[in-house]
Amino acid sequence: AQSVTQLDSQVPVFEEAPVELRCNYSSSVSVYLFWYVQYPNQGLQLLLKYLSGSTLVKGINGFEAEFNKSQTSFHLRKPSVHISDTAEYFCAVNLRDNQGGKLIFGQGTELSVKP
Amino acid sequence: DAGITQSPRHKVTETGTPVTLRCHQTENHRYMYWYRQDPGHGLRLIHYSYGVKDTDKGEVSDGYSVSRSKTEDFLLTLESATSSQTSVYFCAISPRTSGAGDTQYFGPGTRLTVL
Repeated sequence: AQSVTQLDSQVPVFEEAPVELRCNYSSSVSVYLFWYVQYPNQGLQLLLKYLSGSTLVKGINGFEAEFNKSQTSFHLRKPSVHISDTAEYFCAVNLRDNQGGKLIFGQGTELSVKP
Repeated sequence: DAGITQSPRHKVTETGTPVTLRCHQTENHRYMYWYRQDPGHGLRLIHYSYGVKDTDKGEVSDGYSVSRSKTEDFLLTLESATSSQTSVYFCAISPRTSGAGDTQYFGPGTRLTVL
């Protein structure tokens, strides 16, 4: 069975500091990888996704993530965070041959950016 | 933003009563999903639909049923609500034009409290 583990439930960071949110997955078959962001009292929106090709993926709002197949990781990074990045971030996987498109989500990481 | 609305946005009900949540889309997307979000669990798939009258179970389907009589509407029914179904429910849609790598677009959520 597939699973996703987000290694930190909460990450406090000061404004303009770099941040890394960690995500590891477990799967015996090839997967697609996603990062979604949820701002307070809102639904989720896609930050970025890895389908194939370059292992470094750039997304919206200055975020990027690197797919590491050998370590089964897909960590999210931003070199300088803003107060407006305060939100909950979810890593998710989908099997490449999954006809149902059933995303499997991690537990979420709350990013709190302090002035 | 994808045209997805959920109704109601908030609901308080009593144990044992039936509850129906509605998801409406204006994007004509083929796939629709219902997730629940609980602290420490991320989002978990309840049911999904891959076309009118075509539905399938997700990870946490017990106690829930769904119906899709039109492309634009996907209903989630709790036949007899229990306190364990207190949660935030999200609807998502996906065009499924490129398979399992498609982005899912999320609605604003419905906060359900079962007393």
